[in-house]
Amino acid sequence: ETGVTQTPRHLVMGMTNKKSLKCEQHLGHNAMYWYKQSAKKPLELMFVYSLEERVENNSVPSRFSPECPNSSHLFLHLHTLQPEDSALYLCASSPGGGIDSPLHFGNGTRLTVT
Amino acid sequence: AQSVTQLDSQVPVFEEAPVELRCNYSSSVSVYLFWYVQYPNQGLQLLLKYLSGSTLVESINGFEAEFNKSQTSFHLRKPSVHISDTAEYFCAVSDRWGSQGNLIFGKGTKLSVKP
Repeated sequence: ETGVTQTPRHLVMGMTNKKSLKCEQHLGHNAMYWYKQSAKKPLELMFVYSLEERVENNSVPSRFSPECPNSSHLFLHLHTLQPEDSALYLCASSPGGGIDSPLHFGNGTRLTVT
Repeated sequence: AQSVTQLDSQVPVFEEAPVELRCNYSSSVSVYLFWYVQYPNQGLQLLLKYLSGSTLVESINGFEAEFNKSQTSFHLRKPSVHISDTAEYFCAVSDRWGSQGNLIFGKGTKLSVKP
């Protein structure tokens, strides 16, 4: 039990589908993150949410849409994805979002786009 | 912008041998440094961190890392590895993204411990 739970663990979707990834943290943290992990590349930060604000990453295509209804839940809505979007999507949380705060990760959702 | 270089993508070693996983970062200003470990089919777990104070930091399972400001390095070491240490190890440096903290990760080093 990592304290950060992601569902589903695996997802296969076609390019015309719409699906959502879910993340829930049970640690009482105030900041939540979406990362993309692709083979042979560093982890890429996609989005950050805190109690105060959502921080955009302008390099993320609009086919990825985050939603954070409260400090414990985070979603990543997916639509019209491309095969190159296949990757492991990791959710993380941190206590306060400060730069000295370590991240607590979920086990990820393995996404395959066909 | 910060960057992290992990010089070795794969490190094979025999059980009970010592190992060093190398990490260099780009910043010349004060930083916070982290090592994370990822076991197969799992997310990343914090292994150890350097925030301030002693430049040598240790984890509960025998790993240690030394912050070297002059060489901008944070190499990870273990004097005697076990089969269960087989995993991918990521070095990360703190950064800021807007008003939020963020971590910049290296590409990872796959440690393979053979019997």
